[in-house]
Amino acid sequence: AQKITQTQPGMFVQEKEAVTLDCTYDTSDPSYGLFWYKQPSSGEMIFLIYQGSYDQQNATEGRYSLNFQKARKSANLVISASQLGDSAMYFCAMREGGNDMRFGAGTRLTVKP
Amino acid sequence: DAGVIQSPRHEVTEMGQEVTLRCKPISGHNSLFWYRQTMMRGLELLIYFNNNVPIDDSGMPEDRFSAKMPNASFSTLKIQPSEPRDSAVYFCASTWDRIGLNTEAFFGQGTRLTVV
Repeated sequence: AQKITQTQPGMFVQEKEAVTLDCTYDTSDPSYGLFWYKQPSSGEMIFLIYQGSYDQQNATEGRYSLNFQKARKSANLVISASQLGDSAMYFCAMREGGNDMRFGAGTRLTVKP
Repeated sequence: DAGVIQSPRHEVTEMGQEVTLRCKPISGHNSLFWYRQTMMRGLELLIYFNNNVPIDDSGMPEDRFSAKMPNASFSTLKIQPSEPRDSAVYFCASTWDRIGLNTEAFFGQGTRLTVV
């Protein structure tokens, strides 16, 4: 069974600094996708970034980038130039073989002014 | 597109009553997920449909929970009878699945269920 681990229940970062949120995963399927979602206090789930297992380059979307280390089975989210609006819960998720999507426990990020 | 639409947004019901949550996926999407989110258990996958067929329902807690997808534009999650421990936020999400690809899912706003 696939498994997603987020070991940081909470993280703090100073505004305008960069922050890395950790995610490790476990799968034996060679084809899988890794995703990050943001959940602000209002409750909606917002898709941020995707990395495919066969992608050669790390994914980037604006201030978000994914540090994908396949051999270590890690897919850390890097947020550059943090903003107050980045304060939220962040979830890592995985799909393997185009099947269901399962989530980690999440990391609560707080950006300090 | 209006995105994934869930109704109702909030539901308060008494223990023992039947509750039906509704979801309209994004037009053209062929896969749909139901999730439950609680503080204790996080985001749990309840059931996954592909082309209106339930593919994985191993997350459905017990027989009190049932889900249907009668067509590509509508799904329901029913709890009968409801219990206080069913109180949670229930999310529906949809995606356009293509063979060999692992696509992102787009979420609805969620239904906050309170069973008293």
